[in-house]
Amino acid sequence: QVRLLQSGAEVRKPGASVKVSCKASGYPFPNYILTWVRQAPGQGLEWMGWISVYNGNTNYEQNFRGRVTMTTDTFTTTAYLELRSLRSDDTAVYYCARSPYCSGASCGFDYWGQGTLVTVSS
Amino acid sequence: QSVLIQPPSASGTPGQRVTISCSGSSSNIGGFSVNWYQQLPGSAPKLLIYNNNERPSGVPDRFSGSKSGSSASLAFSGLQSEDEADYYCAAWDDSLNGVIFGGGTKLIVL
Repeated sequence: QVRLLQSGAEVRKPGASVKVSCKASGYPFPNYILTWVRQAPGQGLEWMGWISVYNGNTNYEQNFRGRVTMTTDTFTTTAYLELRSLRSDDTAVYYCARSPYCSGASCGFDYWGQGTLVTVSS
Repeated sequence: QSVLIQPPSASGTPGQRVTISCSGSSSNIGGFSVNWYQQLPGSAPKLLIYNNNERPSGVPDRFSGSKSGSSASLAFSGLQSEDEADYYCAAWDDSLNGVIFGGGTKLIVL
């Protein structure tokens, strides 16, 4: 069955970086987009961007450009999210999610990882 | 404030029909499909409706989605206690060149 298994919780100081992993299994990894969504405590969902596993093309939400890098490793079927220059308001649960290649994101994000809590605190 | 506007809360009694609205603009809902997600307490979101009104395999047919112009709705035809959760609409936005989520609606089953 399809599974997205994320790495464990992280604690970082302001200004540091964090790298979260998302191990995919149960489906052909290159045939789907991997997206990242975060949720601050008690808040709603925020799309951060996505990466085409097939060709590595990325589309980052404008508020994260310059601070975020999304990559994939097709040999280990793992996606990575790196966020730099962390601030306290980056404290959130970070989710990876899978999407088929569809026009205008019409297919939705059909499988989600369990989430990774990143805490930014001095 | 989110670009897609949802009511912060909605409520109903078991068996009742309830709808949740999602209001956008021509750059998002007006031109692109809407997806809906259910988030149970302490869990990751789950895709409930995609492409305005399609249900993924395993989603009961008492959940339905619709779209008209720049607004969309999620309907529950017979509310159940296990439906108590947060619900989010989402769509592509051509101006932002990205996916946007609504602020979320907390559904309370009385």
